[in-house]
Amino acid sequence: EIVLTQSPGTLSVSPGERATLSCRASQSVSSSYLAWYQQKPGQAPRLLIYGSSSRAAGIPDRFSGSGSGTDFTLSIIRLEPEDFAVYYCQHYRSSPPRYTFGQGTRLEIK
Amino acid sequence: QVQLVQSGAEVKKPGSSVKVSCKGSGGRFNNYGINWVRQAPGQGPEWMGRIIPMLGVPSYAQKFQGRITITADKSTSTVYMEMRALRSEDTAVFYCARGEDFESWGQGTLVTVSS
Repeated sequence: EIVLTQSPGTLSVSPGERATLSCRASQSVSSSYLAWYQQKPGQAPRLLIYGSSSRAAGIPDRFSGSGSGTDFTLSIIRLEPEDFAVYYCQHYRSSPPRYTFGQGTRLEIK
Repeated sequence: QVQLVQSGAEVKKPGSSVKVSCKGSGGRFNNYGINWVRQAPGQGPEWMGRIIPMLGVPSYAQKFQGRITITADKSTSTVYMEMRALRSEDTAVFYCARGEDFESWGQGTLVTVSS
């Protein structure tokens, strides 16, 4: 079973700066099935990135995803106050269907 | 865009069962997978299983196999998740989410298991 490890656990960044979040898979995975989600307190997670680098509908271009194999990155430039939240990466396997989430990175205001 | 509306919060006794519903509106529902995700307090999301209403065959995460049942009612665009033998550690928010990429989510249903 694939394990996703996110780092760091907590990231402190100032508004207007750039944040880089990491997601490492325990074995090589298809980049087509790697997604990122944002979750704010009391809300459901929201899809940001799918297919490792494609932005979901309505997601600003300040958010970008990259990576392949075992190492994936979510980058957020020009951090806005509303970007401070918890971020999860997720891997999907199609047959049989299986989804695995990372443990999350908390992005906090420095 | 499809909206998912879940049933309300529940308080259950240990050993009992709970059935949570997820109703879709505003778009195509039956052709896409509807997933169930559990999120315990302060924890990350955990995939439980899914069903494609048009096909009606569920898939379950190994951890939940045998303890949950996911069903779909195509006529009302509603998917259900029933969990049995509840224990205190099942206290969590349960979400439904649509599609392979979970592009739409329900608002969540808090299930509290307490004696």
